[in-house]
Amino acid sequence: GNSVTQMEGPVTLSEEAFLTINCTYTATGYPSLFWYVQYPGEGLQLLLKATKADDKGSNKGFEATYRKETTSFHLEKGSVQVSDSAVYFCALSVRDTDKLIFGTGTRLQVFP
Amino acid sequence: NAGVMQNPRHLVRRRGQEARLRCSPMKGHSHVYWYRQLPEEGLKFMVYLQKENIIDESGMPKERFSAEFPKEGPSILRIQQVVRGDSAAYFCASSLRASGRVDSYNEQFFGPGTRLTVL
Repeated sequence: GNSVTQMEGPVTLSEEAFLTINCTYTATGYPSLFWYVQYPGEGLQLLLKATKADDKGSNKGFEATYRKETTSFHLEKGSVQVSDSAVYFCALSVRDTDKLIFGTGTRLQVFP
Repeated sequence: NAGVMQNPRHLVRRRGQEARLRCSPMKGHSHVYWYRQLPEEGLKFMVYLQKENIIDESGMPKERFSAEFPKEGPSILRIQQVVRGDSAAYFCASSLRASGRVDSYNEQFFGPGTRLTVL
């Protein structure tokens, strides 16, 4: 079956620290991979995506590379800001319907 | 261009009552997805609909839950005889279409969610 596993939080960092949130997946076929961000009290926003192996998704300083050999899609940012504090969800989509399968989410807390 | 709209934003029901959650997709979008987020958990897919059709309901509980997306009007997620375990945030997402292709993806745009509390 299809599933996503991501590191548990919370992740607590000081401003300007380096961020890594690990994500691995299990899937049949060739899924697309995503990172979504959820700010308190809001819905999900697409942060970045990659649709095939070795693609790198990037947005707002965040990056993630689709690694087929390790079935991973780790999220990284070189220098986090307080405003990055949110819950981050790794997800994959099933090709035929595009329905999304999410990890459990990782809460990031950035302190000044 | 308005985004995905959901209402109500907050809904309180007593056990045994019915809950109706509404989702208006983005203009021009004919594909709607419903997801449920239980406290401290990720989102779980419930159902995928196109206008007047249920395409995939593999995530819907077998009883008490139903969904529709009529030709006119919003998509409705209906929960009959609610129980405390139904308390969750319910998110709707819409997309232009499902890609069905290996090399492309049609982005799903999420609404702000409806937070259901069952007393």
